[in-house]
Amino acid sequence: DAGVTQSPTHLIKTRGQQVTLRCSPKSGHDTVSWYQQALGQGPQFIFQYYEEEERQRGNFPDRFSGHQYPNYSSELNVNALLLGDSALYLCASSWYKNSGANVLTFGAGSRLTVL
Amino acid sequence: KQEVTQIPAALSVPEGENLVLNCSFTDSAIYNLQWFRQDPGKGLTSLLLIQSSQREQTSGRLNASLDKSSGRSTLYIAASQPGDSATYLCAVKWNYGQNFVFGPGTRLSVLP
Repeated sequence: DAGVTQSPTHLIKTRGQQVTLRCSPKSGHDTVSWYQQALGQGPQFIFQYYEEEERQRGNFPDRFSGHQYPNYSSELNVNALLLGDSALYLCASSWYKNSGANVLTFGAGSRLTVL
Repeated sequence: KQEVTQIPAALSVPEGENLVLNCSFTDSAIYNLQWFRQDPGKGLTSLLLIQSSQREQTSGRLNASLDKSSGRSTLYIAASQPGDSATYLCAVKWNYGQNFVFGPGTRLSVLP
């Protein structure tokens, strides 16, 4: 049973560029949440996707956008990259209708470095 | 504002010690609370999930307790081992909203 898979694992971009990160949820999960984790800090919630719609959003600018496909996989897009966007981006999957016992399953993350 | 704090920020103990990690949260109207482990540069691994109606959960050498009225949870690790060295994160979901709010974590080092 495959867990949450994320790609790429590492990437380096320069300021002003755009980046796309990808996530495949755990088998049986239909909800994907994205988190940003800066060095030495806890993860910060970016947004959550369910049924191909953004259901909830954290305190992140519109430069951060996402998408969910019919197979439940998801993408996180960041435009006009800033140095402060350098972080570990984590994807977590869960089952929306079982939110009462909602154990988040995380991927290994995508490490983004902005130069 | 929903906030989660963790004390201490870092902890170093000799192997074999029992230890307690603390998590505090604002607003007692939580839905559930989850403890995670994170190894350096890696993703998060769920350790224990406590529902708002529960007082504690146990898994092997780990025991997590929840006191909603005081806004606290503790993670107890018995007979610590060097392999327990990692960052431990507490995350809270409140009754409103779908997302978890994470604390900054406690970085644990268990010395052989």
